[in-house]
Amino acid sequence: QQQVKQSPQSLIVQKGGISIINCAYENTAFDYFPWYQQFPGKGPALLIAIRPDVSEKKEGRFTISFNKSAKQFSLHIMDSQPGDSATYFCAASNAGSSNTGKLIFGQGTTLQVKP
Amino acid sequence: GAGVSQTPSNKVTEKGKYVELRCDPISGHTALYWYRQSLGQGPEFLIYFQGTGAADDSGLPNDRFFAVRPEGSVSTLKIQRTERGDSAVYLCASSPASGYTGELFFGEGSRLTVL
Repeated sequence: QQQVKQSPQSLIVQKGGISIINCAYENTAFDYFPWYQQFPGKGPALLIAIRPDVSEKKEGRFTISFNKSAKQFSLHIMDSQPGDSATYFCAASNAGSSNTGKLIFGQGTTLQVKP
Repeated sequence: GAGVSQTPSNKVTEKGKYVELRCDPISGHTALYWYRQSLGQGPEFLIYFQGTGAADDSGLPNDRFFAVRPEGSVSTLKIQRTERGDSAVYLCASSPASGYTGELFFGEGSRLTVL
């Protein structure tokens, strides 16, 4: 019940295309859903995050879509660029009761954007 | 520096040896997390400190793993009697406040290889 399942494992997109990564969770107590971006040899860095009181959040070319009833959320990268090539992790946490900020991460998606 | 600092960046050891990994969080951040990232996987939670105390150590895999944060700043992850399965990147992250659910700031990790 603590798992976050992420797909696809890898993704290849042409420059200018849309990259879509999906995640699903089971624990309905999760109330914070961030996406992290990781480049080789670096630690993950926060990209964008959403809370379940909204269905969509957009920041620049990055959009999170959130479907509470389906317990799914997705990351959309518009106008994908070669510099977006990285590994993306979805995550979830239960801040309401646990109050630790502990994140449960998905398995990751390696994105390659071809020039 | 301004970010989370981890040392060593790489550690190669032999099976059965003792290892210490150090994390220096962002100044003023009271929350500190250790995660373990195996090749091709998402970060896996190990332990969370709020100040000097371990508020959640539910992710430590067994009693060979131990972590301390004696003065509420620098933390050390200690692994006794290392096994080949302990080989992974150990990530440290910090965040600004007690029970804060928001951005975790990750270091670049310590890559541990157990021969």
